[in-house]
Amino acid sequence: QLQLLESGPGLVKPSETLSLTCTVSGGSITSNRYFWGWIRQPPGRGLEWIGTISYTGRTFYNPSLKSRVTMSVDTSKNQFSLRLSSVTAADTSMFFCARLPESTTYFDLWGRGALVTVSS
Amino acid sequence: QSVLTQPPSASGTPGQRVTISCSGTSSNIGSNSVNWYQQLPGTAPKLLIYFINNRPSGVPDRFSGSRSGTSASLAISGLQSEDEADYYCAAWDDSLNGVVFGGGTKLTVL
Repeated sequence: QLQLLESGPGLVKPSETLSLTCTVSGGSITSNRYFWGWIRQPPGRGLEWIGTISYTGRTFYNPSLKSRVTMSVDTSKNQFSLRLSSVTAADTSMFFCARLPESTTYFDLWGRGALVTVSS
Repeated sequence: QSVLTQPPSASGTPGQRVTISCSGTSSNIGSNSVNWYQQLPGTAPKLLIYFINNRPSGVPDRFSGSRSGTSASLAISGLQSEDEADYYCAAWDDSLNGVVFGGGTKLTVL
C-alpha cells in the first residue's frame, strides 16, 4: 500500500526558506501514471493548492505563489520536495503532500501532513 | 476569498439527506471536472468524489455528486454521525491555470 510522509522543520523564521520533503513508500515515484503535489491549510482555514510535479521534474505552480515556490524530485530517494522562500507568518500552515493520477487534477492519496509555523 | 463558493456550514439529523453546494464560473466548474474531499477532524483530506460523480473504492454509495452549469453539489443520503466533517470542492481553473478549492463546508450531524 503506497504511503506518503511529509518531513521537515516545524519552525521557520520570517524571511527564511521553508523546506519540506515527501517520502513515497510502498511504490515508485517514477511511475508515469502519477504526478505529485503539495497543498497547504492554514490553521482553521481551507485548502490551497501549491503546486504539482512529475517524476521527470515538470512543474505546475499556483500563480499566487509561483515567485516563491520551487518543487523538485529525487528519484534515487523516492522523494519529492517543496521550498517556499521569503516566508511570513501568513505562511504558517499544515502542509500536505499528495498523489495525482496522470491527466487528472484530483488528489487520490494524501500524506498525514506536517505543521510548519513561521515565527521568530 | 476562495475561487469556489461553498456555504460555511450545513447540518442534518441521522438518516436525513443533505446537500452541499459549490458555485464557480465557466473557467472552472463550467468547463472542468469537479472533485470533492472529506476532512475528518484532525486528519488529512480524503478523496470522496472525482470526475463530478465517481466514487473511489471504499466510499459508500450514500455519497454522490452532480454538476449543473457552473455549480456542483455533493449529496449525502442516510446521514450518519461519522459523516461529521469538513467537505471541500475543487476543480481546475483554466484562467488561473491551477487547482482551486472551495472554502469548505462544516457538516454537523445533529
